[in-house]
Amino acid sequence: QKEVEQNSGPLSVPEGAIASLNCTYSDRVSQSFFWYRQYSGKSPELIMSIYSNGDKEDGRFTAQLNKASQYVSLLIRDSQPSDSATYLCAVNMSHRGSTLGRLYFGRGTQLTVWP
Amino acid sequence: EAQVTQNPRYLITVTGKKLTVTCSQNMNHEYMSWYRQDPGLGLRQIYYSMNVEVTDKGDVPEGYKVSRKEKRNFPLILESPSPNQTSLYFCASSTSGLAGGGTYNEQFFGPGTRLTVL
Repeated sequence: QKEVEQNSGPLSVPEGAIASLNCTYSDRVSQSFFWYRQYSGKSPELIMSIYSNGDKEDGRFTAQLNKASQYVSLLIRDSQPSDSATYLCAVNMSHRGSTLGRLYFGRGTQLTVWP
Repeated sequence: EAQVTQNPRYLITVTGKKLTVTCSQNMNHEYMSWYRQDPGLGLRQIYYSMNVEVTDKGDVPEGYKVSRKEKRNFPLILESPSPNQTSLYFCASSTSGLAGGGTYNEQFFGPGTRLTVL
């Protein structure tokens, strides 16, 4: 059973704080990991991708990957009210023994940044 | 502009009346997929397609059909809709990626179709 687990939240942080979002996954061979942001009623939007162990930074966002622990996280620095959304973790895993992968999504973490 | 389009965006229908939701992408992507999203359940994959004429079931395929006759189009068909198919539907596309192979398949999503079945 392929699984991607996220803390459902809700996570609430004050403006300017660091928001930390976590995700674990079940497939040891996974190589591709993504974070999507989804505003209410809108489609998911890709904000970060990471493929190697360690940190990847893009503006206020940092993705962290630890393959040994099967753990990926997203840090949002200097959080803004506009960051309030649901954040979806997605992991590329094999499906039914195929060599081609498909994305498995976690259920998302709802983040609220209050002024 | 690179994009995934879906039509219609909103649809209210009645039980048993066949409907089709269209999906089209202009990025020459091999992989296309349909998801439904329900409160508390996250995104669940209905069907996906690795390429033209290659489709397979996702996690919740019951009550749905798909076809992939052209690379750019991947329609979702509900032959006899029921109220439990009321949901928000997303189409997505990406390049194909190898599982565990170090390649990737960043998915791009359409705007969504909100379907209500009465």
